[in-house]
Amino acid sequence: DVKVTQSSRYLVKRTGEKVFLECVQDMDHENMFWYRQDPGLGLRLIYFSYDVKMKEKGDIPEGYSVSREKKERFSLILESASTNQTSMYLCASRTGYEQYFGPGTRLTVT
Amino acid sequence: KQEVTQIPAALSVPEGENLVLNCSFTDSAIYNLQWFRQDPGKGLTSLLLIQSSQREQTSGRLNASLDKSSGRSTLYIAASQPGDSATYLCAVRSGAGSYQLTFGKGTKLSVIP
Repeated sequence: DVKVTQSSRYLVKRTGEKVFLECVQDMDHENMFWYRQDPGLGLRLIYFSYDVKMKEKGDIPEGYSVSREKKERFSLILESASTNQTSMYLCASRTGYEQYFGPGTRLTVT
Repeated sequence: KQEVTQIPAALSVPEGENLVLNCSFTDSAIYNLQWFRQDPGKGLTSLLLIQSSQREQTSGRLNASLDKSSGRSTLYIAASQPGDSATYLCAVRSGAGSYQLTFGKGTKLSVIP
């Protein structure tokens, strides 16, 4: 069974804090993705990585960065959290055809 | 740019009914199409994946069809149950070399006991 795990289900941070969201997959997948999901806007791609240390911007990369030092781990970093980054964050991984998602992290920035 | 639309945004049916969820996409040159289920506050669970060369895929009470030329896919759910209540999303991958999926905004299904 494919397993994609995210470090936290719920997170509350203050404006200006540096925030790390971690994602780990156990399937040796090459491709990993970070999305955010907001009501009325659907899923939007923030960043993706097609290999270790390789990354590409998605549709909404502003205010975010990523790190992929090992194949199984893909981190999303909010350098200075802002209230408009309050959202559900979803990590996914893929090899070949099918994409698999983690359980999501509900981030609230106050 | 590929756009994916799911209509209706919400659907309510009595338990036991068969139902169809619709997904349409603007660019028919797709690599594959994937249907997901999302429960409230949770991640997405993959239900079915259809490659561009396929016409349909089945899993249990679920059947997904693909008509590339008309830019449409349907998800058929037989004998619906309250446990089927969730949001269903379809997503399109535009090419083998494409990393991105383009998602619809989903159809929220409620199955009433």
